[in-house]
Amino acid sequence: EAGVTQFPSHSVIEKGQTVTLRCDPISGHDNLYWYRRVMGKEIKFLLHFVKESKQDESGMPNNRFLAERTGGTYSTLKVQPAELEDSGVYFCASSQATGQETQYFGPGTRLLVL
Amino acid sequence: RKEVEQDPGPFNVPEGATVAFNCTYSNSASQSFFWYRQDCRKEPKLLMSVYSSGNEDGRFTAQLNRASQYISLLIRDSKLSDSATYLCVVNQSPGGYQKVTFGTGTKLQVIP
Repeated sequence: EAGVTQFPSHSVIEKGQTVTLRCDPISGHDNLYWYRRVMGKEIKFLLHFVKESKQDESGMPNNRFLAERTGGTYSTLKVQPAELEDSGVYFCASSQATGQETQYFGPGTRLLVL
Repeated sequence: RKEVEQDPGPFNVPEGATVAFNCTYSNSASQSFFWYRQDCRKEPKLLMSVYSSGNEDGRFTAQLNRASQYISLLIRDSKLSDSATYLCVVNQSPGGYQKVTFGTGTKLQVIP
């Protein structure tokens, strides 16, 4: 069974540019989560989709971040315009059902904003 | 105070040693608990869930103390391959969905 995949694996952009990250969850997983880890800090929750609906987006840092999950399959996370402090590793995770299901993580996208 | 606190380490231990990590959480409504392992530049991977009764998986034992709000992970007979960062993860499950909070992780280095 294929795991969670993320694209790109790395992205280097200049401040002010736009970047779009993609996550493909494990097939059949309704729950999709985005997390971010900035240098030296803990992994922090950004938002949670149940199918195509945003269940919780309380972790989104500001309105420069937009997440979508049209059709309830893959998800995109767009940062526009990117700032230096957006640099970090963006992880996506998916789980089969709500509650206490194990979340499976993708390999992450390493974003560097110069 | 952070919601989930861990000693960042690093813990440098010789092969064969027993090492224990603790993690404390602040929200008494937290419902489920996990230890994840993260290798350098890799994604977190579930090591084990933590139950009130305690659970063991080979050389790994996890325990939960709800009254004191802490979780522990014990690794016996450490192997070089155990070197990694161990993340304490707490799930609050408000309204039936997951709200996951990570600790900063504890770095373990097993030395030959």
